Amino acid sequence: DIQMTQSPSSLSASVGDRVTITCRASQSISSYLNWYQQKPGKAPKLLIYAASSLQSGVPSRFSGSGSGTDFTLTISSLQPEDFAAYCCQQSYSTPYTFGQGTKLEIK
Amino acid sequence: QVQLVESGGGLVKPGGSLRLSCAASGFTFSDYYMSWIRQAPGKGLEWVSYISSSSSYTNYADSVKGRFTISRDNAKKSLYLQMNSLRAEDTAVYYCARRRVDTASDAFDIWGQGTMVTVSS
Repeated sequence: DIQMTQSPSSLSASVGDRVTITCRASQSISSYLNWYQQKPGKAPKLLIYAASSLQSGVPSRFSGSGSGTDFTLTISSLQPEDFAAYCCQQSYSTPYTFGQGTKLEIK
Repeated sequence: QVQLVESGGGLVKPGGSLRLSCAASGFTFSDYYMSWIRQAPGKGLEWVSYISSSSSYTNYADSVKGRFTISRDNAKKSLYLQMNSLRAEDTAVYYCARRRVDTASDAFDIWGQGTMVTVSS
């Protein structure tokens, strides 16, 4: 199975900050990497697919980059509604696996 | 609008069975692969299973293989998960999700609200 490792596991930031979350795959997954946002008690929401493509309706302050084994999710200017959990997911091969998540909290 | 609504969760004893359903609306259900994904309390997401648009292909996580069966009824726009021989470690919120696949990407783009399954004596 492909292991997905995210860092950091938690992050405190302020409104307006630029934040970056990292995801590393245990083997090359090309660009088959997706990012999701999840708020407490809610279903995950797709933000970024294919490593760098912005899902329709997602604000442009979200961006993704990377290929192979190393990927990043960047939020250019945090808004109050962005404080949530974020996780990556590889769709290169089954079993599809998710990172353990990064909890983004208000400083 | 595009929507997935799960049902069928509840409390079941170890060794018992449960059947989850997921009703789709707002899109051509028969065009899409579908998946079940679960999340144990306080834990991360775990992919469980997928089924192809015509039911020709299915795939399962090792943790559920031989115990869970995914199926669909395109006429009813519904996805199902039959769960047998349930264990305490199957306790989770179960989400159905639409899998959007093209030549260079593969992602779960629509999710239901989830249904809670609790396995306990």
